[in-house]
Amino acid sequence: DADVTQTPRNRITKTGKRIMLECSQTKGHDRMYWYRQDPGLGLRLIYYSFDVKDINKGEISDGYSVSRQAQAKFSLSLESAIPNQTALYFCATSDSDREGETQYFGPGTRLLVL
Amino acid sequence: QKEVEQDPGPLSVPEGAIVSLNCTYSNSAFQYFMWYRQYSRKGPELLMYTYSSGNKEDGRFTAQVDKSSKYISLFIRDSQPSDSATYLCAMSASRGSTLGRLYFGRGTQLTVWP
Repeated sequence: DADVTQTPRNRITKTGKRIMLECSQTKGHDRMYWYRQDPGLGLRLIYYSFDVKDINKGEISDGYSVSRQAQAKFSLSLESAIPNQTALYFCATSDSDREGETQYFGPGTRLLVL
Repeated sequence: QKEVEQDPGPLSVPEGAIVSLNCTYSNSAFQYFMWYRQYSRKGPELLMYTYSSGNKEDGRFTAQVDKSSKYISLFIRDSQPSDSATYLCAMSASRGSTLGRLYFGRGTQLTVWP
């Protein structure tokens, strides 16, 4: 089984709808991240969490919110989806006991907002 | 100026060629350097990890870091069609400064044709 899983893998929604993307990990890592990837722009950090009680904004947090329900679960919500949130979304994890912040990625969620 | 610069390519080479992928960076605090490989419609996977300056070799792959020039490289020898992917460089500072952040380049798209 994959160490970092994301659901759903693909999602089509309409402008104004609220949607949630979910991430689960079995790596036992304490840190979790949400990124979006757009052609030509690379990976951009949306939110990150160092532990269950710690949530931090990344580069592009406007229009997004997150919830760290447990050490293994980190969800990303789009409160009112808009077309420019169409992108590929990745969850990642890392271990604070290991220097260097090596991150491990899930398979991604492809989101289309109409 | 982005903290990490990477030529997006695309780069197209024949099978068996030596490939050189590069990134430059501006933050002298970076000490940990990584290369990720991302196949189409997949999440990035860690390919190489190096600490500080020097070379690291793993099979056909060699990662090189020159901290004095703020320049890192990934060399692929005897390239194969299966190496066709997007390669992202990433880097971070030691623990205690810019904690928890991994800075990515935009990725270089590589195609190896048979």
